[in-house]
Amino acid sequence: NAGVMQNPRHLVRRRGQEARLRCSPMKGHSHVYWYRQLPEEGLKFMVYLQKENIIDESGMPKERFSAEFPKEGPSILRIQQVVRGDSAAYFCASSEGYNEQFFGPGTRLTVL
Amino acid sequence: GENVEQHPSTLSVQEGDSAVIKCTYSDSASNYFPWYKQELGKRPQLIIDIRSNVGEKKDQRIAVTLNKTAKHFSLHITETQPEDSAVYFCAAQKGSNYQLIWGAGTKLIIKP
Repeated sequence: NAGVMQNPRHLVRRRGQEARLRCSPMKGHSHVYWYRQLPEEGLKFMVYLQKENIIDESGMPKERFSAEFPKEGPSILRIQQVVRGDSAAYFCASSEGYNEQFFGPGTRLTVL
Repeated sequence: GENVEQHPSTLSVQEGDSAVIKCTYSDSASNYFPWYKQELGKRPQLIIDIRSNVGEKKDQRIAVTLNKTAKHFSLHITETQPEDSAVYFCAAQKGSNYQLIWGAGTKLIIKP
């Protein structure tokens, strides 16, 4: 089992560009969670998805951010028109229902 | 909604001594309480968890205790070692279709 995979590991974007972050959950996991972490800070929940459904997006900004978890393929976190304040580590985690969340290695987004 | 408070934010202990980190939660329906360790630059990883039908769980040098009446749970690390230095996060969850609610984290520093 390869574990949760995220790519890219590092992403550099200029202000106004789009960032696409990908997450492949562990085999057999149908629950995906996205978190954002600023340096020296805690994990901030963004969105919780199950296959083809957004269950809870209460932590995700209403503008510029969107997430999906299609029937086939990885989950995608999309940030449009990035700003410097979007620079952070974005972690994805997956689980199978009422069990441990396994985290991916994270994507470090830097906005210039 | 659920709220999880974690204390202290920073804890410095002498190598070999014990460390205790405490969390309180607000929703009495919460029934799953994991603890994650995040080393610098790495992903969070589960180190121990407890469900509400159990009062204490041990795994070698780490233990977690749960007091459902008082709605608090604690992480205990005995005989601390340099590799225990990390940020520790507690969390609480109500059930399989609910997100984990995270504490703000405790930075544990082990002094040689």
